[in-house]
Amino acid sequence: NAGVMQNPRHLVRRRGQEARLRCSPMKGHSHVYWYRQLPEEGLKFMVYLQKENIIDESGMPKERFSAEFPKEGPSILRIQQVVRGDSAAYFCASSPATLSQETQYFGPGTRLLVL
Amino acid sequence: AQSVTQLDSHVSVSEGTPVLLRCNYSSSYSPSLFWYVQHPNKGLQLLLKYTSAATLVKGINGFEAEFKKSETSFHLTKPSAHMSDAAEYFCVVSDPNAGKSTFGDGTTLTVKP
Repeated sequence: NAGVMQNPRHLVRRRGQEARLRCSPMKGHSHVYWYRQLPEEGLKFMVYLQKENIIDESGMPKERFSAEFPKEGPSILRIQQVVRGDSAAYFCASSPATLSQETQYFGPGTRLLVL
Repeated sequence: AQSVTQLDSHVSVSEGTPVLLRCNYSSSYSPSLFWYVQHPNKGLQLLLKYTSAATLVKGINGFEAEFKKSETSFHLTKPSAHMSDAAEYFCVVSDPNAGKSTFGDGTTLTVKP
């Protein structure tokens, strides 16, 4: 059973470009979570999605950021018009259910660098 | 509401000596608590989790943690540090009513030879 997969692992963008980060959850997992880790900081929750639904986006910046988890295919975190402050590691996690006892399994992360 | 406080941003120990990484939490319900480890430029690996069963939880690589409700603590310990334990450690509390997990700011563990 493959783990959570994220691609690309590293992404370089110039200011103003768009960044698309992909996350494929573990097989059998229908819940996806995105976290951002700024340099020298811990992980901050961004958004929680189930298939075709955004459940909790309280950690998402109000502008330029969006996330989706379509019925088919990976979850996508999209950042429009990137700025240098968006440079961070973005981690995706998945779980089979929303119960707190369920462990979230993390992907290796996508490291975004905005020039 | 929930929050996590990792009391030490950096801990340095000598190889072969005990490790103690401190974590206090705040929660308005019965929480689930986790410890994750992150090696440089790597993803997060689950060390152990507490989910209202035994208060002393044993994890991988010789780590364990004890849930103390009266002290709202979930400190991570290991009897004897190994060089490969050098990493960033995160204490996490999970909301049972939603999918959101709250991470502590992390503790960097350095192991000296």
